[in-house]
Amino acid sequence: DAKTTQPPSMDCAEGRAANLPCNHSTISGNEYVYWYRQIHSQGPQYIIHGLKNNETNEMASLIITEDRKSSTLILPHATLRDTAVYYCIARSLGSGSARQLTFGSGTQLTVLP
Amino acid sequence: KAGVTQTPRYLIKTRGQQVTLSCSPISGHRSVSWYQQTPGQGLQFLFEYFSETQRNKGNFPGRFSGRQFSNSRSEMNVSTLELGDSALYLCASSLAGAGGRSGTEAFFGQGTRLTVV
Repeated sequence: DAKTTQPPSMDCAEGRAANLPCNHSTISGNEYVYWYRQIHSQGPQYIIHGLKNNETNEMASLIITEDRKSSTLILPHATLRDTAVYYCIARSLGSGSARQLTFGSGTQLTVLP
Repeated sequence: KAGVTQTPRYLIKTRGQQVTLSCSPISGHRSVSWYQQTPGQGLQFLFEYFSETQRNKGNFPGRFSGRQFSNSRSEMNVSTLELGDSALYLCASSLAGAGGRSGTEAFFGQGTRLTVV
């Protein structure tokens, strides 16, 4: 799976949009971009994933650039409960692909009151 | 529906002992994966089971083993515990079968915090 690069930390004001970037310049055509977050001392929580089209669900939006070398996770109205470490993961879903998630260091998002 | 359940939540063991951790996946999920999380190494993949078969294994010594039962419940065992095995052990379940996009999201349990003294 392609390596991803994320800033180690970011701050965001409560109520504002949080935009978390991820670089995956070596991503291959069959690799999806997955986002998870981990609130302190809890298990990681799935947020969203996509291949090349932008995706939106009840939690967040995922914007993937046209060349697929980077993406942005958007939390539209951040709350204090969104303070967590956010992980961006590139993952192939082909039948011969590895099944595990390869977690990097992630981005510590702190939502400030 | 009920989420992924891991038991016990906390455990203290002595060096040299062995330990068994349990994971009950979400009903209907056939894939169960285990991860170790430490401050120094982050989240690292241990192994994955699907339909009672180990399908993938991470880079951990043979002291770490696991199994999956016919009801998809899984256990992992660590023998001859070392201080460095102190970690949060996380279990994740997913629907995923071979390939495909749907059902690939992994749902994690709260983890078992193992302390080796």
